Amino acid sequence: NAGVTQTPKFQVLKTGQSMTLQCAQDMNHNSMYWYRQDPGMGLRLIYYSASEGTTDKGEVPNGYNVSRLNKREFSLRLESAAPSQTSVYFCASSVPPGRGEKLFFGSGTQLSVL
Amino acid sequence: ELKVEQNPLFLSMQEGKNYTIYCNYSTTSDRLYWYRQDPGKSLESLFVLLSNGAVKQEGRLMASLDTKARLSTLHITAAVHDLSATYFCAVVAFQGAQKLVFGQGTRLTINP
Repeated sequence: NAGVTQTPKFQVLKTGQSMTLQCAQDMNHNSMYWYRQDPGMGLRLIYYSASEGTTDKGEVPNGYNVSRLNKREFSLRLESAAPSQTSVYFCASSVPPGRGEKLFFGSGTQLSVL
Repeated sequence: ELKVEQNPLFLSMQEGKNYTIYCNYSTTSDRLYWYRQDPGKSLESLFVLLSNGAVKQEGRLMASLDTKARLSTLHITAAVHDLSATYFCAVVAFQGAQKLVFGQGTRLTINP
């Protein structure tokens, strides 16, 4: 079972470069999420997509864009990377709201911006 | 704005001891999650608590939810080294999507 697959696992960027983090899930989940994890701060929601065709901002959306390409895929783009975006990024997916189910997380992408 | 606070943030304990991690949250919610994260790894779901008074147990871990007090606890019984990890609680911010707000995490170290 693949679950939630993120690529790449590691990335080093220079300030001002752009990149896209890819996420795909094979569990037929409607909702998908992008979180960032920084030491001592837990996970903070960047963007989410409640269903195919919709996206919404989370707590820390500045500097990011997202695309819900189809039901399976949800990508996160950094247009002009900044050192403050150095973090570990997690993609997650969940069943439709109201069913009390858990989020399933990908393995994470460790991003360093120099 | 929903705030979720855990305490303690760091906990070092001996094998065989009992301890409790606390998770407080600031606004009404009836859905709370506990996750475990090992160093360099992703998050693993431990418990989903869906109503006031909910209690769930698996092995040496037991989680409970008091929605009136806006408090959840994760109790560790007779700790073993394998339980060393960082534990996060997360609370649903609203019902439109499972938009979770996470606590800061509790880094638990269990010493032989």
